[in-house]
Amino acid sequence: DADVTQTPRNRITKTGKRIMLECSQTKGHDRMYWYRQDPGLGLRLIYYSFDVKDINKGEISDGYSVSRQAQAKFSLSLESAIPNQTALYFCATSDMDRNQPQHFGDGTRLSIL
Amino acid sequence: QQPVQSPQAVILREGEDAVINCSSSKALYSVHWYRQKHGEAPVFLMILLKGGEQKGHDKISASFNEKKQQSSLYLTASQLSYSGTYFCGTDFIQYSGGGADGLTFGKGTHLIIQP
Repeated sequence: DADVTQTPRNRITKTGKRIMLECSQTKGHDRMYWYRQDPGLGLRLIYYSFDVKDINKGEISDGYSVSRQAQAKFSLSLESAIPNQTALYFCATSDMDRNQPQHFGDGTRLSIL
Repeated sequence: QQPVQSPQAVILREGEDAVINCSSSKALYSVHWYRQKHGEAPVFLMILLKGGEQKGHDKISASFNEKKQQSSLYLTASQLSYSGTYFCGTDFIQYSGGGADGLTFGKGTHLIIQP
């Protein structure tokens, strides 16, 4: 089983719909992250969390919200999806020691029509 | 600020060497390197910490020049399995001297290895 699991893997939806992407991990890591990947732009940080009570905005948080339901679960929501939010979304986790690597889930491919 | 990676793309024959560079305009605490195959998740390669060091495993190594705020990834005697997109992720130094929160990734370098 994967250490970092994202659901769904693919989603097609319409403009204006509310969407939730979920991430769960079995690595026991405290830090969790949501990134967005667009062709030619690399990975951009949306939100990150260091524990259940700690949520921080990243570079491109507008239009997104998150919830850290438990140490192992971190969800990303698009309250009213728009076409330019079409992208590949990755969840990642890491240990509290910042000198440790981030471990990525397999990604969610989101298309908004 | 997003670090700048160069080159944007490189095509090599199997067995040739490649160097990928990552430059930052901000003082760096560390640099992370990842490789991503098409349609897959990024996979961790190595971390370089401030203080200037060089790391490596197998035929992939990296260096970190703290004075220039640059890191380079070296792939020697490239194999077909090295194909993919390479990303550097930078962790900036905060005013307190520690690292920042989260990584800022470059746009990636596409590496194609041909037989």
